[in-house]
Amino acid sequence: GAGVSQSPSNKVTEKGKDVELRCDPISGHTALYWYRQSLGQGLEFLIYFQGNSAPDKSGLPSDRFSAERTGGSVSTLTIQRTQQEDSAVYLCASSSASGRLGDTQYFGPGTRLTVL
Amino acid sequence: ILNVEQSPQSLHVQEGDSTNFTCSFPSSNFYALHWYRWETAKSPEALFVMTLNGDEKKKGRISATLNTKEGYSYLYIKGSQPEDSATYLCAHRAGKSTFGDGTTLTVKP
Repeated sequence: GAGVSQSPSNKVTEKGKDVELRCDPISGHTALYWYRQSLGQGLEFLIYFQGNSAPDKSGLPSDRFSAERTGGSVSTLTIQRTQQEDSAVYLCASSSASGRLGDTQYFGPGTRLTVL
Repeated sequence: ILNVEQSPQSLHVQEGDSTNFTCSFPSSNFYALHWYRWETAKSPEALFVMTLNGDEKKKGRISATLNTKEGYSYLYIKGSQPEDSATYLCAHRAGKSTFGDGTTLTVKP
């Protein structure tokens, strides 16, 4: 079946520009996560959506970062006024969650963002 | 332990060696512990989800154990093969998941 998809796969932008990254989760998955991996670093949590609940934004590094999830499905991560330190691979994951905290996350292929 | 810590950071072994690495996590407020395998240029893939103290899971040559009271999990690989080369991540789940930085395993033929 279809897995988590992300677009674009690669994005090169100039410092100061805004970018939007898209994630299509597995159909029926209620939980959606955004992470990023900067060069040489581990996986960094950014934001978590669970159903209709208010998202957990505790991992967003600055107010230049925002995310929304429309209709409980597709999510968009927006980075405004990009900086070079925003360069990273941005990963999206979804899980069926449904209140069971043991659910496995399924990851998309990631978007590699390069800010020049 | 306040965060998720993995050790060692990297490991180089010869084909056929058995190996193991550790994930330490806060023992309070435990809900679940996940292990993922992350190969270069691919997405992390789930290996195991463990929820109960004393859980043992096995998948082929890879197995994992869980001790929630002392806050650690071990991942074992028996008879390592070059295709086992990857970064192994653990994630402590309490609401959102907190990932460790991973153990990068390189298996030399």
